[in-house]
Amino acid sequence: DGGITQSPKYLFRKEGQNVTLSCEQNLNHDAMYWYRQDPGQGLRLIYYSQIVNDFQKGDIAEGYSVSREKKESFPLTVTSAQKNPTAFYLCASSIVAGSYTFGSGTRLTVV
Amino acid sequence: GQQVMQIPQYQHVQEGEDFTTYCNSSTTLSNIQWYKQRPGGHPVFLIQLVKSGEVKKQKRLTFQFGEAKKNSSLHITATQTTDVGTYFCAETQGGSEKLVFGKGTKLTVNP
Repeated sequence: DGGITQSPKYLFRKEGQNVTLSCEQNLNHDAMYWYRQDPGQGLRLIYYSQIVNDFQKGDIAEGYSVSREKKESFPLTVTSAQKNPTAFYLCASSIVAGSYTFGSGTRLTVV
Repeated sequence: GQQVMQIPQYQHVQEGEDFTTYCNSSTTLSNIQWYKQRPGGHPVFLIQLVKSGEVKKQKRLTFQFGEAKKNSSLHITATQTTDVGTYFCAETQGGSEKLVFGKGTKLTVNP
């Protein structure tokens, strides 16, 4: 079955630590996206990539980094510069002008 | 940046009552998409509207796109407990493929 897989489902980060969230898709979609969801805030775009080896900042990119070395993969690193990283992180992919397919998300908590 | 305003933020209904959520924009939208997110889940694509005045139905759900393409609505007839979740509208920003999401309407249904 085609789909988009995020791992891990739950992640705990210590103060000052970098963590990487995985996102893999086998839908052959060109575009991939990372959103952050906080209660009452809706979905806010962190980074997006429309083609391999290229990506753009979204509305809240500070404290995050991404790479797009393969079409199937778009990992997100939450760096120590992100002061309030506790949130639900959603990865999505799409074809050009198409609807988004979302992964099941990663819940990140700072401990 | 451009953003769709979604109202109401919360809606609580008795099972069997109707429900409507609205999205409004100050600018003309090229298209609008609707997503549903169940509690603890991820957003799932429902529909895309493109044409002025377009109306689409999915069983008890009716989606409308305004004549001026500045607003859209989702109406659920005779709600059921399975309708519980948060409904988001989203619009394509600028010439890119990235979606900008409204803050969502959280629907709860009392059985």
